[in-house]
Amino acid sequence: DGGITQSPKYLFRKEGQNVTLSCEQNLNHDAMYWYRQDPGQGLRLIYYSQIVNDFQKGDIAEGYSVSREKKESFPLTVTSAQKNPTAFYLCASSNPADTQYFGPGTRLTVL
Amino acid sequence: DAKTTQPTSMDCAEGRAANLPCNHSTISGNEYVYWYRQIHSQGPQYIIHGLKNNETNEMASLIITEDRKSSTLILPHATLRDTAVYYCIVEDDNDYKLSFGAGTTVTVRA
Repeated sequence: DGGITQSPKYLFRKEGQNVTLSCEQNLNHDAMYWYRQDPGQGLRLIYYSQIVNDFQKGDIAEGYSVSREKKESFPLTVTSAQKNPTAFYLCASSNPADTQYFGPGTRLTVL
Repeated sequence: DAKTTQPTSMDCAEGRAANLPCNHSTISGNEYVYWYRQIHSQGPQYIIHGLKNNETNEMASLIITEDRKSSTLILPHATLRDTAVYYCIVEDDNDYKLSFGAGTTVTVRA
Protein backbone atom coordinates (compact mmCIF):
# COMPACT_ATOMS: atom_id res chain seq x y z
CA ASP A 1 0.00 0.00 0.00
CA GLY A 2 3.01 2.32 -0.18
CA GLY A 3 2.14 5.60 -1.85
CA ILE A 4 -1.63 5.27 -1.44
CA THR A 5 -3.30 6.68 1.64
CA GLN A 6 -6.89 6.33 2.72
CA SER A 7 -8.50 8.20 5.55
CA PRO A 8 -9.97 7.69 7.96
CA LYS A 9 -9.22 4.05 8.84
CA TYR A 10 -12.54 3.68 10.66
CA LEU A 11 -15.64 5.73 9.98
CA PHE A 12 -19.03 5.72 11.63
CA ARG A 13 -22.11 7.43 10.34
CA LYS A 14 -25.76 7.59 11.15
CA GLU A 15 -28.36 6.41 8.70
CA GLY A 16 -29.36 9.08 6.23
CA GLN A 17 -26.02 10.89 6.30
CA ASN A 18 -23.66 11.25 3.38
CA VAL A 19 -19.99 10.53 4.08
CA THR A 20 -16.85 11.07 1.98
CA LEU A 21 -13.89 8.70 2.00
CA SER A 22 -10.51 10.06 1.04
CA CYS A 23 -7.97 8.44 -1.29
CA GLU A 24 -4.65 10.05 -2.20
CA GLN A 25 -1.74 8.62 -4.20
CA ASN A 26 1.74 9.95 -4.87
CA LEU A 27 2.70 7.29 -7.41
CA ASN A 28 1.87 9.53 -10.39
CA HIS A 29 -0.64 6.94 -11.58
CA ASP A 30 -3.24 7.97 -14.14
CA ALA A 31 -5.91 5.49 -13.10
CA MET A 32 -7.66 5.18 -9.75
CA TYR A 33 -10.33 2.77 -8.52
CA TRP A 34 -12.77 2.25 -5.67
CA TYR A 35 -13.75 -1.24 -4.54
CA ARG A 36 -16.10 -2.46 -1.85
CA GLN A 37 -15.55 -5.64 0.20
CA ASP A 38 -18.17 -7.32 2.35
CA PRO A 39 -17.24 -9.88 5.03
CA GLY A 40 -15.91 -13.12 3.54
CA GLN A 41 -16.30 -11.82 0.00
CA GLY A 42 -14.03 -10.66 -2.77
CA LEU A 43 -13.78 -7.07 -3.97
CA ARG A 44 -16.38 -5.43 -6.19
CA LEU A 45 -15.69 -2.35 -8.33
CA ILE A 46 -17.69 0.79 -7.52
CA TYR A 47 -16.13 3.47 -9.76
CA TYR A 48 -12.92 3.96 -11.67
CA SER A 49 -11.15 6.86 -13.31
CA GLN A 50 -8.57 6.52 -16.04
CA ILE A 51 -7.75 10.20 -16.30
CA VAL A 52 -8.39 13.48 -14.50
CA ASN A 53 -11.92 14.88 -14.89
CA ASP A 54 -13.26 11.57 -16.17
CA PHE A 55 -14.69 8.53 -14.39
CA GLN A 56 -16.92 5.54 -15.12
CA LYS A 57 -19.33 3.42 -13.12
CA GLY A 58 -18.25 -0.01 -12.05
CA ASP A 59 -20.45 -2.95 -11.14
CA ILE A 60 -22.08 -1.47 -8.02
CA ALA A 61 -22.15 2.33 -8.49
CA GLU A 62 -25.69 2.95 -7.21
CA GLY A 63 -25.67 5.08 -4.05
CA TYR A 64 -22.10 6.28 -4.58
CA SER A 65 -20.51 9.30 -6.25
CA VAL A 66 -16.93 10.28 -7.07
CA SER A 67 -14.89 13.16 -8.43
CA ARG A 68 -11.43 13.35 -10.04
CA GLU A 69 -10.36 16.95 -10.02
CA LYS A 70 -6.72 16.16 -9.36
CA LYS A 71 -4.53 13.32 -10.55
CA GLU A 72 -3.55 12.33 -7.03
CA SER A 73 -7.01 12.38 -5.44
CA PHE A 74 -10.16 10.30 -5.97
CA PRO A 75 -12.68 10.83 -3.15
CA LEU A 76 -15.71 8.56 -2.80
CA THR A 77 -18.99 9.79 -1.35
CA VAL A 78 -21.36 7.23 0.12
CA THR A 79 -24.81 8.77 -0.12
CA SER A 80 -27.95 8.07 1.84
CA ALA A 81 -29.25 6.27 -1.24
CA GLN A 82 -26.83 3.39 -0.61
CA LYS A 83 -28.97 0.81 1.15
CA ASN A 84 -26.23 -1.25 2.77
CA PRO A 85 -23.20 1.01 3.17
CA THR A 86 -21.49 -0.88 5.99
CA ALA A 87 -18.42 -2.41 4.35
CA PHE A 88 -14.65 -2.22 3.86
CA TYR A 89 -13.76 0.29 1.12
CA LEU A 90 -10.53 -0.04 -0.83
CA CYS A 91 -8.90 2.44 -3.17
CA ALA A 92 -6.35 1.43 -5.79
CA SER A 93 -4.27 3.12 -8.46
CA SER A 94 -2.30 2.06 -11.51
CA ASN A 95 -0.71 3.18 -14.71
CA PRO A 96 -2.73 2.25 -17.80
CA ALA A 97 -2.78 -1.49 -18.42
CA ASP A 98 -0.51 -2.06 -15.45
CA THR A 99 -0.61 -3.55 -11.96
CA GLN A 100 -3.08 -2.07 -9.47
CA TYR A 101 -1.79 -1.15 -6.03
CA PHE A 102 -4.13 -0.83 -3.09
CA GLY A 103 -4.42 1.46 -0.11
CA PRO A 104 -4.98 0.25 3.47
CA GLY A 105 -8.77 0.64 3.31
CA THR A 106 -11.50 2.44 5.25
CA ARG A 107 -14.00 0.46 7.30
CA LEU A 108 -17.37 2.21 7.26
CA THR A 109 -20.04 1.32 9.80
CA VAL A 110 -23.57 2.72 9.70
CA LEU A 111 -25.10 3.02 13.14
CA ASP B 1 -18.88 -16.81 -14.36
CA ALA B 2 -15.69 -16.88 -12.30
CA LYS B 3 -12.57 -17.11 -14.42
CA THR B 4 -10.53 -18.93 -11.77
CA THR B 5 -11.00 -21.79 -9.33
CA GLN B 6 -9.03 -22.02 -6.11
CA PRO B 7 -9.25 -24.26 -3.05
CA THR B 8 -11.14 -22.67 -0.20
CA SER B 9 -8.39 -23.15 2.34
CA MET B 10 -5.05 -24.79 3.00
CA ASP B 11 -2.58 -25.14 5.84
CA CYS B 12 1.17 -24.91 5.61
CA ALA B 13 3.97 -25.54 8.09
CA GLU B 14 6.24 -22.65 8.91
CA GLY B 15 9.51 -22.83 7.01
CA ARG B 16 8.12 -25.13 4.33
CA ALA B 17 7.15 -24.19 0.80
CA ALA B 18 3.50 -23.34 0.23
CA ASN B 19 2.11 -24.32 -3.18
CA LEU B 20 -1.15 -22.60 -4.05
CA PRO B 21 -2.99 -23.97 -7.10
CA CYS B 22 -5.29 -22.07 -9.42
CA ASN B 23 -7.30 -23.34 -12.36
CA HIS B 24 -8.14 -20.99 -15.23
CA SER B 25 -9.18 -23.33 -18.02
CA THR B 26 -10.91 -20.61 -20.10
CA ILE B 27 -7.99 -18.19 -20.10
CA SER B 28 -7.46 -16.39 -23.41
CA GLY B 29 -4.18 -15.61 -25.12
CA ASN B 30 -3.90 -12.01 -23.97
CA GLU B 31 -4.92 -12.58 -20.35
CA TYR B 32 -2.41 -12.41 -17.53
CA VAL B 33 -2.46 -14.38 -14.29
CA TYR B 34 -2.20 -12.09 -11.25
CA TRP B 35 -1.75 -13.05 -7.62
CA TYR B 36 -2.64 -10.80 -4.70
CA ARG B 37 -2.93 -11.53 -1.02
CA GLN B 38 -4.94 -9.87 1.70
CA ILE B 39 -3.97 -10.01 5.33
CA HIS B 40 -6.90 -9.53 7.66
CA SER B 41 -8.33 -5.98 7.61
CA GLN B 42 -5.67 -4.69 5.20
CA GLY B 43 -5.69 -3.77 1.53
CA PRO B 44 -4.72 -6.44 -1.01
CA GLN B 45 -1.01 -6.70 -1.66
CA TYR B 46 0.29 -7.41 -5.16
CA ILE B 47 2.52 -10.50 -5.27
CA ILE B 48 3.35 -11.43 -8.85
CA HIS B 49 1.90 -11.81 -12.34
CA GLY B 50 2.73 -13.59 -15.57
CA LEU B 51 1.54 -14.30 -19.09
CA LYS B 52 3.24 -17.47 -20.33
CA ASN B 53 6.61 -17.83 -18.71
CA ASN B 54 7.35 -18.70 -15.13
CA GLU B 55 8.11 -15.69 -13.00
CA THR B 56 10.02 -15.14 -9.76
CA ASN B 57 10.45 -12.15 -7.51
CA GLU B 58 11.46 -11.53 -3.93
CA MET B 59 8.11 -12.70 -2.62
CA ALA B 60 7.18 -15.75 -4.66
CA SER B 61 7.41 -17.82 -7.82
CA LEU B 62 4.65 -18.28 -10.36
CA ILE B 63 4.55 -21.47 -12.39
CA ILE B 64 2.18 -21.44 -15.38
CA THR B 65 1.47 -24.68 -17.23
CA GLU B 66 2.31 -24.85 -20.91
CA ASP B 67 -1.36 -24.83 -21.92
CA ARG B 68 -1.90 -21.92 -19.48
CA LYS B 69 -4.99 -23.58 -18.02
CA SER B 70 -3.58 -23.65 -14.51
CA SER B 71 -0.88 -22.08 -12.39
CA THR B 72 0.78 -22.45 -9.01
CA LEU B 73 1.99 -19.75 -6.68
CA ILE B 74 4.93 -20.87 -4.60
CA LEU B 75 5.93 -19.22 -1.35
CA PRO B 76 9.37 -20.77 -0.86
CA HIS B 77 9.69 -20.53 2.92
CA ALA B 78 6.37 -19.74 4.53
CA THR B 79 6.32 -17.68 7.70
CA LEU B 80 3.50 -16.91 10.10
CA ARG B 81 3.19 -13.49 8.45
CA ASP B 82 2.21 -15.19 5.20
CA THR B 83 -1.14 -16.18 6.73
CA ALA B 84 -3.65 -14.44 4.45
CA VAL B 85 -6.27 -14.87 1.76
CA TYR B 86 -4.58 -15.40 -1.61
CA TYR B 87 -6.39 -14.37 -4.78
CA CYS B 88 -5.65 -15.70 -8.26
CA ILE B 89 -7.00 -13.31 -10.92
CA VAL B 90 -7.08 -13.56 -14.69
CA GLU B 91 -7.34 -10.28 -16.60
CA ASP B 92 -6.04 -8.77 -19.79
CA ASP B 93 -4.24 -5.44 -20.06
CA ASN B 94 -7.34 -3.70 -21.30
CA ASP B 95 -9.50 -4.67 -18.35
CA TYR B 96 -10.33 -1.78 -16.09
CA LYS B 97 -10.99 -3.87 -13.04
CA LEU B 98 -9.68 -6.84 -11.13
CA SER B 99 -12.25 -9.59 -10.57
CA PHE B 100 -11.64 -10.97 -7.10
CA GLY B 101 -13.21 -14.28 -6.18
CA ALA B 102 -13.24 -15.77 -2.69
CA GLY B 103 -9.57 -16.78 -2.83
CA THR B 104 -7.69 -19.37 -0.78
CA THR B 105 -7.32 -18.85 2.95
CA VAL B 106 -3.78 -19.92 3.79
CA THR B 107 -2.90 -20.57 7.39
CA VAL B 108 0.77 -21.00 8.25
CA ARG B 109 1.24 -22.99 11.45
CA ALA B 110 4.29 -23.03 13.69
